[in-house]
Amino acid sequence: SAVISQKPSRDICQRGTSLTIQCQVDSQVTMMFWYRQQPGQSLTLIATANQGSEATYESGFVIDKFPISRPNLTFSTLTVSNMSPEDSSIYLCSVSGPHQPQHFGDGTRLSIL
Amino acid sequence: ILNVEQSPQSLHVQEGDSTNFTCSFPSSNFYALHWYRWETAKSPEALFVMTLNGDEKKKGRISATLNTKEGYSYLYIKGSQPEDSATYLCAFMDSNYQLIWGAGTKLIIKP
Repeated sequence: SAVISQKPSRDICQRGTSLTIQCQVDSQVTMMFWYRQQPGQSLTLIATANQGSEATYESGFVIDKFPISRPNLTFSTLTVSNMSPEDSSIYLCSVSGPHQPQHFGDGTRLSIL
Repeated sequence: ILNVEQSPQSLHVQEGDSTNFTCSFPSSNFYALHWYRWETAKSPEALFVMTLNGDEKKKGRISATLNTKEGYSYLYIKGSQPEDSATYLCAFMDSNYQLIWGAGTKLIIKP
């Protein structure tokens, strides 16, 4: 299975600032996803990162708040913009092939002061 | 039901005891049911992908069953060990390949 490197692993940020999370995969993958898990909640899909085009966002998530890049089939970034305490979560990238389970990065634990 | 529900939310089990917990999901537009184990400070790890009604899968001391007609899956752990302590997530995949996640069952094994 693919090896996924996600960084940073954790960060503490000031409200109003932005943070970019990187996800690097050791092989080309078709599908890359960004998830969030807020405290006590289930995993929530933010968006599907599409190579060479704009990401596909789920209901409740917008590009201005969570801009995503995917310049090639092995790399993607998620930016959390203008952060507030409600953005404190674990952010995860994952990859999947057709009809395959998801393989996740180690996650980024983000706290906003 | 329109979402995926897992019960119980948390569970304390004595080391050596066996346990099980439930994932309930929509009984229509079923494509697959995934189980994952999420240990603290690690990433979620896929345990099983189940697609057929009546399917039963096993991985060591962990097994899972699937009933797509009534919309539930059970995860069983036989002879619990401390390393089994984790949050167990299920995810329902519909016929459009959309994944809907449960909130997880947090399992704590007491030595």
